[in-house]
Amino acid sequence: KAGVTQTPRYLIKTRGQQVTLSCSPISGHRSVSWYQQTPGQGLQFLFEYFSETQRNKGNFPGRFSGRQFSNSRSEMNVSTLELGDSALYLCASSTGGGETQYFGPGTRLLVL
Amino acid sequence: GESVGLHLPTLSVQEGDNSIINCAYSNSASDYFIWYKQESGKGPQFIIDIRSNMDKRQGQRVTVLLNKTVKHLSLQIAATQPGDSAVYFCAEKVDGNKLVFGAGTILRVKS
Repeated sequence: KAGVTQTPRYLIKTRGQQVTLSCSPISGHRSVSWYQQTPGQGLQFLFEYFSETQRNKGNFPGRFSGRQFSNSRSEMNVSTLELGDSALYLCASSTGGGETQYFGPGTRLLVL
Repeated sequence: GESVGLHLPTLSVQEGDNSIINCAYSNSASDYFIWYKQESGKGPQFIIDIRSNMDKRQGQRVTVLLNKTVKHLSLQIAATQPGDSAVYFCAEKVDGNKLVFGAGTILRVKS
């Protein structure tokens, strides 16, 4: 089975711009979760989507949003980028029934 | 509480020795725990998991121990190899499918 894929792998944006990141889960997985990883804060949960519905949300401002499509692929969007949004954005997929989450390679976002 | 990544502790071991990485978790209601390995430039890779109704679980060269009384997890790696060098994270599942991660431990294997 192919693993979780994320595109693009690297992005450079400037403050005030917006960005969309994409995640394709493992085939058959219906849950996609997004995490932000920074040196200062570690790995932090952004949100989870299951069957096209946001099922859980972390403590991030409304500039961070996401969606999931009928094929379980997910996108996350960050609007009005700030320097502090520079991070590795990871998505993880699972069946959605509480089993293990498997991570993709991440998208490295740099905001200048 | 939420993961706070500050200065990561480092464990240096000699190749062939056993490694023990420790983790304290915060939520006594957590019922599922996972260890991940993250190499530079990659996403976290699943190593082993354990449910709260177990105290110990073994995999290939790895063992996870869970002490619910003191909210402590440990990962034991037998016969540590250079390829084991990475950052190791414990994670607890809280509030549905949300994972809360520990700060991580850097494992360095000396040849």
